[in-house]
Amino acid sequence: DADVTQTPRNRITKTGKRIMLECSQTKGHDRMYWYRQDPGLGLRLIYYSFDVKDINKGEISDGYSVSRQAQAKFSLSLESAIPNQTALYFCATSAGLAGTDTQYFGPGTRLTVL
Amino acid sequence: AQSVAQPEDQVNVAEGNPLTVKCTYSVSGNPYLFWYVQYPNRGLQFLLKYITGDNLVKGSYGFEAEFNKSQTSFHLKKPSALVSDSALYFCAVRFQAAGNKLTFGGGTRVLVKP
Repeated sequence: DADVTQTPRNRITKTGKRIMLECSQTKGHDRMYWYRQDPGLGLRLIYYSFDVKDINKGEISDGYSVSRQAQAKFSLSLESAIPNQTALYFCATSAGLAGTDTQYFGPGTRLTVL
Repeated sequence: AQSVAQPEDQVNVAEGNPLTVKCTYSVSGNPYLFWYVQYPNRGLQFLLKYITGDNLVKGSYGFEAEFNKSQTSFHLKKPSALVSDSALYFCAVRFQAAGNKLTFGGGTRVLVKP
């Protein structure tokens, strides 16, 4: 969905480096999410934010941190990258309509940690 | 704990034949159910969702899904598959008791042969 953009699209880094993945949206949604995708495991939630002042851990938050700079921006940081963080990372947004809302995904960032 | 299962890693079908992608879930209570599709090098795209009402839900690109509460299933179907339907399909479930977080199945790769 072009309304949700992610940068960079691909990143190769080394063990121990700190990196940041960025997400921006023009959908005007309050809720934003970060997921990682691994083959056979589907998508797993890392962090989510229901508004600028709200940050929540997902099921696999260890080794990650986030920053919600504005309604439209939500960044994911890997404090000290390790090889098992090699994955496809997706940002998503939703309007937050009482749990029935649809999440809209960005194109993904492919991260490789050597 | 809530869970989502997609029992088939891959489904192969000839173009023009019916396509079915299976999804089952375990939960106590009423879930909200979603299907997403992922084309190569793209993010997830929303196909359809079941919230309440008619058990047969129609979505994008000619897909439909049937909610079966007694069998706790939400199988995705298309009467006549196209080669362009070849992609990775994800079932996702949101359980109200889980704080409305979205839980994804592991994905099913669909290959439609000409």
